[in-house]
Amino acid sequence: GENVEQHPSTLSVQEGDSAVIKCTYSDSASNYFPWYKQELGKRPQLIIDIRSNVGEKKDQRIAVTLNKTAKHFSLHITETQPEDSAVYFCAASIRSNDYKLSFGAGTTVTVRA
Amino acid sequence: GAVVSQHPSWVICKSGTSVKIECRSLDFQATTMFWYRQFPKQSLMLMATSNEGSKATYEQGVEKDKFLINHASLTLSTLTVTSAHPEDSSFYICSARSSSTSGRAYEQYFGPGTRLTVT
Repeated sequence: GENVEQHPSTLSVQEGDSAVIKCTYSDSASNYFPWYKQELGKRPQLIIDIRSNVGEKKDQRIAVTLNKTAKHFSLHITETQPEDSAVYFCAASIRSNDYKLSFGAGTTVTVRA
Repeated sequence: GAVVSQHPSWVICKSGTSVKIECRSLDFQATTMFWYRQFPKQSLMLMATSNEGSKATYEQGVEKDKFLINHASLTLSTLTVTSAHPEDSSFYICSARSSSTSGRAYEQYFGPGTRLTVT
């Protein structure tokens, strides 16, 4: 099955700096890559996603890049703010597999004021 | 739009009893619903996939006789933890995928989760 690896496991940044989280996946058939933000005790919130026919997508301070050849994708958060502090998960899924999500292990992001 | 609810939000039960958790898509019809378990400081682990009117598909290592899933309609799936033990204590989260043939059929909408504590 799909294996998604996520790095780093923790990330501490100064407010205003950028944060980058990287994920790799194993199944070349994966074609949908969402990123979720989860606060303690809450549901995962979709913050951005990308499909395999696109190399990059941006939404205000958040961007995702996808390299299908290398099978890796990254989340970029610019101008970080304290409210960006949370756990972030990457995931990968395949249309032919009911779009079942395989999650990375998560990255705990702390933005220092 | 695309709201998923779960009930209850938290439950405490005694070892050996059964607990049922409901997952509802409130404003859309869900072709497929998924059940996840999340232990503290860990990632979401998929337990099973359920499609309306058919048997759930369980992930490797998940006991189907212990975690009973029923997807009776396009808006409701239930997870019953049978003969619960303390090691079943966890955060259980469901998600739903729309049956719409247009739009973002690949997106999963998550419920708020159910915190289960087995004493």
